[in-house]
Amino acid sequence: DAGVIQSPRHEVTEMGQEVTLRCKPISGHNSLFWYRQTMMRGLELLIYFNNNVPIDDSGMPEDRFSAKMPNASFSTLKIQPSEPRDSAVYFCASSFLAGVGNEQFFGPGTRLTVL
Amino acid sequence: RKEVEQDPGPFNVPEGATVAFNCTYSNSASQSFFWYRQDCRKEPKLLMSVYSSGNEDGRFTAQLNRASQYISLLIRDSKLSDSATYLCVVKTTSGTYKYIFGTGTRLKVLA
Repeated sequence: DAGVIQSPRHEVTEMGQEVTLRCKPISGHNSLFWYRQTMMRGLELLIYFNNNVPIDDSGMPEDRFSAKMPNASFSTLKIQPSEPRDSAVYFCASSFLAGVGNEQFFGPGTRLTVL
Repeated sequence: RKEVEQDPGPFNVPEGATVAFNCTYSNSASQSFFWYRQDCRKEPKLLMSVYSSGNEDGRFTAQLNRASQYISLLIRDSKLSDSATYLCVVKTTSGTYKYIFGTGTRLKVLA
Protein backbone atom coordinates (compact mmCIF):
# COMPACT_ATOMS: atom_id res chain seq x y z
CA ASP A 1 0.00 0.00 0.00
CA ALA A 2 1.40 3.40 -1.00
CA GLY A 3 -0.06 5.20 1.99
CA VAL A 4 -1.54 8.67 1.82
CA ILE A 5 -0.02 10.65 -1.03
CA GLN A 6 0.27 14.42 -0.99
CA SER A 7 1.54 16.85 -3.58
CA PRO A 8 3.41 19.04 -3.85
CA ARG A 9 5.78 18.33 -0.96
CA HIS A 10 7.00 21.91 -0.91
CA GLU A 11 5.38 25.05 -2.25
CA VAL A 12 6.77 28.57 -2.18
CA THR A 13 4.50 31.27 -3.49
CA GLU A 14 3.91 34.97 -3.25
CA MET A 15 1.17 36.66 -1.32
CA GLY A 16 -2.03 36.88 -3.34
CA GLN A 17 -1.40 33.77 -5.42
CA GLU A 18 -3.68 30.76 -5.50
CA VAL A 19 -2.35 27.59 -3.92
CA THR A 20 -3.78 24.11 -4.49
CA LEU A 21 -2.76 21.16 -2.34
CA ARG A 22 -3.63 17.63 -3.38
CA CYS A 23 -4.23 14.40 -1.52
CA LYS A 24 -4.86 10.79 -2.43
CA PRO A 25 -6.14 8.78 0.55
CA ILE A 26 -5.47 5.12 1.23
CA SER A 27 -7.70 2.92 -0.90
CA GLY A 28 -10.69 1.64 1.06
CA HIS A 29 -10.68 4.42 3.61
CA ASN A 30 -13.94 6.34 3.81
CA SER A 31 -12.76 9.49 5.58
CA LEU A 32 -10.25 12.17 4.72
CA PHE A 33 -8.91 14.91 6.94
CA TRP A 34 -7.00 18.13 6.25
CA TYR A 35 -4.80 19.49 9.04
CA ARG A 36 -2.50 22.48 9.38
CA GLN A 37 0.49 22.51 11.71
CA THR A 38 2.54 25.45 12.93
CA MET A 39 4.88 25.86 15.87
CA MET A 40 2.56 28.37 17.48
CA ARG A 41 -0.77 26.56 17.08
CA GLY A 42 0.19 22.91 16.82
CA LEU A 43 -1.94 20.53 14.74
CA GLU A 44 -5.32 22.00 13.75
CA LEU A 45 -8.10 20.15 11.97
CA LEU A 46 -9.34 22.23 9.06
CA ILE A 47 -12.01 19.99 7.53
CA TYR A 48 -12.94 16.37 7.18
CA PHE A 49 -14.94 14.36 4.69
CA ASN A 50 -16.83 11.14 5.21
CA ASN A 51 -17.83 9.25 2.06
CA ASN A 52 -16.76 12.30 0.03
CA VAL A 53 -19.15 14.61 1.92
CA PRO A 54 -17.78 17.46 4.07
CA ILE A 55 -18.84 16.75 7.65
CA ASP A 56 -17.03 19.33 9.76
CA ASP A 57 -15.44 22.42 8.26
CA SER A 58 -15.48 24.49 11.44
CA GLY A 59 -11.69 24.63 11.41
CA MET A 60 -11.43 26.30 8.02
CA PRO A 61 -9.94 29.70 8.86
CA GLU A 62 -11.91 31.85 6.46
CA ASP A 63 -13.45 32.04 3.02
CA ARG A 64 -10.04 32.07 1.39
CA PHE A 65 -9.83 28.36 2.16
CA SER A 66 -11.89 25.77 0.32
CA ALA A 67 -11.72 21.99 0.06
CA LYS A 68 -13.27 19.49 -2.29
CA MET A 69 -13.45 15.74 -2.57
CA PRO A 70 -14.88 14.91 -6.00
CA ASN A 71 -14.36 11.16 -5.53
CA ALA A 72 -13.10 8.64 -3.02
CA SER A 73 -9.51 8.81 -4.22
CA PHE A 74 -8.80 12.52 -4.48
CA SER A 75 -9.14 15.73 -2.50
CA THR A 76 -7.89 19.29 -2.87
CA LEU A 77 -7.37 22.14 -0.45
CA LYS A 78 -7.25 25.54 -2.10
CA ILE A 79 -6.15 28.86 -0.67
CA GLN A 80 -7.08 31.93 -2.70
CA PRO A 81 -5.62 34.48 -2.19
CA SER A 82 -2.75 33.21 -0.07
CA GLU A 83 -1.26 35.27 2.75
CA PRO A 84 2.05 34.97 4.67
CA ARG A 85 0.18 33.77 7.77
CA ASP A 86 -0.93 30.71 5.80
CA SER A 87 2.66 29.45 5.89
CA ALA A 88 2.54 26.05 7.61
CA VAL A 89 2.75 22.34 6.99
CA TYR A 90 -0.53 20.97 5.66
CA PHE A 91 -1.20 17.31 6.33
CA CYS A 92 -3.81 15.08 4.80
CA ALA A 93 -4.88 11.96 6.68
CA SER A 94 -7.32 9.15 5.98
CA SER A 95 -9.04 6.46 7.98
CA PHE A 96 -11.96 4.09 8.03
CA LEU A 97 -13.97 6.16 10.42
CA ALA A 98 -16.84 4.09 11.75
CA GLY A 99 -16.68 2.06 14.90
CA VAL A 100 -14.13 1.60 17.61
CA GLY A 101 -10.47 1.84 16.80
CA ASN A 102 -9.40 2.64 13.26
CA GLU A 103 -6.54 5.06 13.49
CA GLN A 104 -5.68 7.81 11.03
CA PHE A 105 -2.83 7.54 8.59
CA PHE A 106 -1.04 10.73 7.63
CA GLY A 107 0.56 11.78 4.39
CA PRO A 108 4.04 13.33 4.37
CA GLY A 109 2.63 16.86 4.30
CA THR A 110 3.00 19.90 2.08
CA ARG A 111 5.30 22.59 3.44
CA LEU A 112 3.82 25.90 2.28
CA THR A 113 5.71 29.17 2.40
CA VAL A 114 3.91 32.34 1.38
CA LEU A 115 6.24 35.29 0.89
CA ARG B 1 -10.39 23.38 29.36
CA LYS B 2 -8.90 21.63 26.34
CA GLU B 3 -10.51 18.36 25.28
CA VAL B 4 -7.16 16.56 25.37
CA GLU B 5 -4.32 17.82 27.53
CA GLN B 6 -0.68 16.85 27.66
CA ASP B 7 2.37 18.21 29.42
CA PRO B 8 4.39 19.79 26.59
CA GLY B 9 7.74 18.94 28.22
CA PRO B 10 10.46 18.74 27.16
CA PHE B 11 11.36 15.63 29.07
CA ASN B 12 15.13 15.25 28.97
CA VAL B 13 16.18 11.78 30.07
CA PRO B 14 19.41 9.78 29.84
CA GLU B 15 19.67 6.72 27.66
CA GLY B 16 18.35 3.65 29.42
CA ALA B 17 15.94 5.57 31.62
CA THR B 18 12.24 4.86 31.99
CA VAL B 19 9.91 7.74 31.20
CA ALA B 20 6.14 8.09 31.42
CA PHE B 21 3.71 10.53 29.85
CA ASN B 22 0.12 11.12 30.82
CA CYS B 23 -2.71 12.57 28.81
CA THR B 24 -6.13 13.58 30.13
CA TYR B 25 -9.34 13.86 28.15
CA SER B 26 -12.60 15.57 28.99
CA ASN B 27 -15.23 13.68 26.98
CA SER B 28 -16.37 10.62 28.90
CA ALA B 29 -17.96 9.26 25.71
CA SER B 30 -14.56 8.91 24.05
CA GLN B 31 -14.26 5.58 22.31
CA SER B 32 -10.74 4.98 21.12
CA PHE B 33 -7.31 6.12 22.17
CA PHE B 34 -3.97 6.27 20.43
CA TRP B 35 -0.40 7.39 20.87
CA TYR B 36 1.30 8.89 17.83
CA ARG B 37 4.93 9.78 17.42
CA GLN B 38 6.06 12.79 15.39
CA ASP B 39 9.66 13.40 14.41
CA CYS B 40 10.84 16.88 13.54
CA ARG B 41 9.53 17.99 10.13
CA LYS B 42 7.73 14.68 9.57
CA GLU B 43 4.15 13.49 9.72
CA PRO B 44 2.62 11.94 12.85
CA LYS B 45 2.79 8.15 12.81
CA LEU B 46 0.84 5.71 14.91
CA LEU B 47 2.91 4.34 17.76
CA MET B 48 0.20 2.22 19.35
CA SER B 49 -3.47 2.02 20.04
CA VAL B 50 -4.52 1.95 23.68
CA TYR B 51 -6.82 -0.84 24.80
CA SER B 52 -8.98 -0.96 27.90
CA SER B 53 -6.92 -3.69 29.48
CA GLY B 54 -3.63 -1.96 28.71
CA ASN B 55 -1.19 -3.17 26.12
CA GLU B 56 2.50 -3.53 25.53
CA ASP B 57 4.67 -3.40 22.44
CA GLY B 58 8.29 -4.11 23.20
CA ARG B 59 9.60 -1.28 25.38
CA PHE B 60 6.33 0.64 25.16
CA THR B 61 3.35 0.16 27.47
CA ALA B 62 0.07 2.03 27.13
CA GLN B 63 -2.68 2.15 29.74
CA LEU B 64 -6.18 3.57 29.87
CA ASN B 65 -7.98 4.71 33.00
CA ARG B 66 -11.59 5.47 32.04
CA ALA B 67 -12.64 6.38 35.58
CA SER B 68 -10.07 9.14 35.80
CA GLN B 69 -10.12 9.84 32.06
CA TYR B 70 -6.46 9.56 31.30
CA ILE B 71 -4.14 7.47 29.21
CA SER B 72 -0.47 6.89 29.77
CA LEU B 73 2.58 5.85 27.81
CA LEU B 74 5.58 4.24 29.46
CA ILE B 75 8.88 3.89 27.63
CA ARG B 76 11.46 1.58 29.19
CA ASP B 77 15.18 1.51 28.39
CA SER B 78 15.00 4.75 26.39
CA LYS B 79 17.05 4.95 23.20
CA LEU B 80 18.40 8.04 21.47
CA SER B 81 16.04 7.19 18.61
CA ASP B 82 13.03 7.62 20.92
CA SER B 83 13.60 11.39 20.86
CA ALA B 84 10.45 12.81 19.29
CA THR B 85 7.13 14.41 20.14
CA TYR B 86 4.45 12.03 21.41
CA LEU B 87 0.87 12.96 20.59
CA CYS B 88 -2.11 11.66 22.50
CA VAL B 89 -5.19 11.17 20.30
CA VAL B 90 -8.75 10.52 21.43
CA LYS B 91 -11.54 9.47 19.10
CA THR B 92 -14.99 10.60 20.15
CA THR B 93 -18.50 10.32 18.85
CA SER B 94 -20.63 13.35 19.61
CA GLY B 95 -22.97 13.29 16.67
CA THR B 96 -20.01 12.91 14.35
CA TYR B 97 -16.73 11.08 14.80
CA LYS B 98 -13.77 13.22 15.76
CA TYR B 99 -10.10 12.63 16.41
CA ILE B 100 -8.88 15.08 19.03
CA PHE B 101 -5.13 15.59 19.20
CA GLY B 102 -3.19 16.74 22.22
CA THR B 103 -0.48 19.30 21.66
CA GLY B 104 2.22 16.69 22.22
CA THR B 105 4.94 15.93 24.74
CA ARG B 106 8.50 16.45 23.60
CA LEU B 107 11.03 13.80 24.63
CA LYS B 108 14.79 14.16 24.33
CA VAL B 109 16.91 11.14 25.18
CA LEU B 110 20.46 12.18 25.98
CA ALA B 111 23.63 10.16 25.47
